[in-house]
Amino acid sequence: DAGVTQSPTHLIKTRGQQVTLRCSPKSGHDTVSWYQQALGQGPQFIFQYYEEEERQRGNFPDRFSGHQFPNYSSELNVNALLLGDSALYLCAAGPRDEQYFGPGTRLTVT
Amino acid sequence: DQQVKQNSPSLSVQEGRISILNCDYTNSMFDYFLWYKKYPAEGPTFLISISSIKDKNEDGRFTVFLNKSAKHLSLHIVPSQPGDSAVYFCAASGATSYDKVIFGPGTSLSVIP
Repeated sequence: DAGVTQSPTHLIKTRGQQVTLRCSPKSGHDTVSWYQQALGQGPQFIFQYYEEEERQRGNFPDRFSGHQFPNYSSELNVNALLLGDSALYLCAAGPRDEQYFGPGTRLTVT
Repeated sequence: DQQVKQNSPSLSVQEGRISILNCDYTNSMFDYFLWYKKYPAEGPTFLISISSIKDKNEDGRFTVFLNKSAKHLSLHIVPSQPGDSAVYFCAASGATSYDKVIFGPGTSLSVIP
């Protein structure tokens, strides 16, 4: 158990609002990836951070942005929320071969 | 355009029998493949992986087979146990360890006691 924590656990927002989700990889992994998992689908890659820089990005609009701090923790920001942004947001610490996922943040947009 | 496909949304197997979960991919640039297991209210956990230079990888009750020419892989669980009941995701990635990981939609496995 690499102890990846995410906060908050659940969140309800209104269309047009902005949200910030947080991830802390206790193990100290320097790579953090964010995924969006809609109901009945697999996780979809949003972006990956390494040493505070965005290294890879999936097919998500610029409304989705992120940040990684010197202690490797990370934030996912979503602006101008849409109903379709309702999903489970997962954070994963570590490289591809050794990725540890947190339990996720359930975002509901009304 | 789904690059990783798992065409069986669900699978039901008797305890002690073999579970076979299938996965197909379309991108020939994929070089590394992984299987993850997910229980409700938890994040996915890594199960087993295979590189494209191999056609089989085994870890205890779990074996993954890769057929590159058919762009197909499968996960075998023998013998299946009730604790194996979960959603299984097939995932694929490029050649380097920092390449993004592309997940399939998942197969929900139920192992019946």
